[in-house]
Amino acid sequence: DAGITQSPRHKVTETGTPVTLRCHQTENHRYMYWYRQDPGHGLRLIHYSYGVKDTDKGEVSDGYSVSRSKTEDFLLTLESATSSQTSVYFCAISERGGYSYEQYFGPGTRLTVT
Amino acid sequence: GIQVEQSPPDLILQEGANSTLRCNFSDSVNNLQWFHQNPWGQLINLFYIPSGTKQNGRLSATTVATERYSLLYISSSQTTDSGVYFCAVERETSGSRLTFGEGTQLTVNP
Repeated sequence: DAGITQSPRHKVTETGTPVTLRCHQTENHRYMYWYRQDPGHGLRLIHYSYGVKDTDKGEVSDGYSVSRSKTEDFLLTLESATSSQTSVYFCAISERGGYSYEQYFGPGTRLTVT
Repeated sequence: GIQVEQSPPDLILQEGANSTLRCNFSDSVNNLQWFHQNPWGQLINLFYIPSGTKQNGRLSATTVATERYSLLYISSSQTTDSGVYFCAVERETSGSRLTFGEGTQLTVNP
């Protein structure tokens, strides 16, 4: 299994509060991703990173920001959480070297905004 | 963006039965993966298969890139195969963005 951890695994927070989710990898992969999973939508890309301090938006980036100051850590921040951001958040990593673009996923973080 | 359609949306089997799950996509891809999401929510990589055929035990997958579809075969199904199966693709011009289908919910009854 790819060495990907997410913290916290579960969080309940109130509307309007800031929240930061952490993804940590031990694989030294260059690419890291944040997805959210909601019923009826599968998984949707929020933001991704293609190197330290290099990030780009996905299809559902509004209300989220990211930072990557080290290869192994990718942080997702909800500056002011809203109920629509209640979801399960998955981190993924990819090396994108050679002939493979395969992505590997972390265990997920369940976030509830009340 | 690229469209990904999976069928059927739901499938109920008796243990020991075989099944075929389908994934259609609307554009050329350089990445296609099949995942199994188990009842605990973990996403498990099954196949990286942008083209061709692969087999892993009771599971096999085939992608016909020129016709823009992929098939996942499950033989002699077991109750532990239950969960949601996702197909995800990356368009050649999308720059490392996976687009997921909505999944097939598989239930295998004993």
